[in-house]
Amino acid sequence: DTAVSQTPKYLVTQMGNDKSIKCEQNLGHDTMYWYKQDSKKFLKIMFSYNNKELIINETVPNRFSPKSPDKAHLNLHINSLELGDSAVYFCASSQLFDRSEKLFFGSGTQLSVL
Amino acid sequence: SQQGEEDPQALSIQEGENATMNCSYKTSINNLQWYRQNSGRGLVHLILIRSNEREKHSGRLRVTLDTSKKSSSLLITASRAADTASYFCAFTGGGNKLTFGTGTQLKVEL
Repeated sequence: DTAVSQTPKYLVTQMGNDKSIKCEQNLGHDTMYWYKQDSKKFLKIMFSYNNKELIINETVPNRFSPKSPDKAHLNLHINSLELGDSAVYFCASSQLFDRSEKLFFGSGTQLSVL
Repeated sequence: SQQGEEDPQALSIQEGENATMNCSYKTSINNLQWYRQNSGRGLVHLILIRSNEREKHSGRLRVTLDTSKKSSSLLITASRAADTASYFCAFTGGGNKLTFGTGTQLKVEL
């Protein structure tokens, strides 16, 4: 069973389009994240939700809007896609204040904006 | 930038050799973690060391932490071809925000 699953795995789209990436975790965690990994493999946190509430909101263009319908799901909607949005987007989850403090990652969504 | 710096950026060794990668950071930390990323995959947690610990072992992995120098190292002993991956350090200074290092790409050749 996949612990953190995100879809789609690949997303190729034109500039200006709107797209969504979905993420689900079956680990019973209360916190979920979106990370962006650029072409140089730099990983940067974008958002974090704890029990459906936004707790981390880094400096991200407001074209990016996360939505958490419940604590097992965290989706990412991107409006008016730009060339610079091309990257790999990772969803992750953890149990906040758990002693292990480790994150579990999905396998990533490679977004290519043409 | 608060991002951790790792060196070397890339490392190529022969199977059976040891691989050492280093991570430096700038803030005070609660803990430091190491993750592995195989090509085209998500990150997988390897080991965590807390700020009051100096060394930790897990199988062929050995992690050290020197908070006075704000640095950590990951040693993989008796490397295998399957260890070929990118390795990232990550740390929390407060709250649940995990900041990642720049990564070391390890290639283990047969």
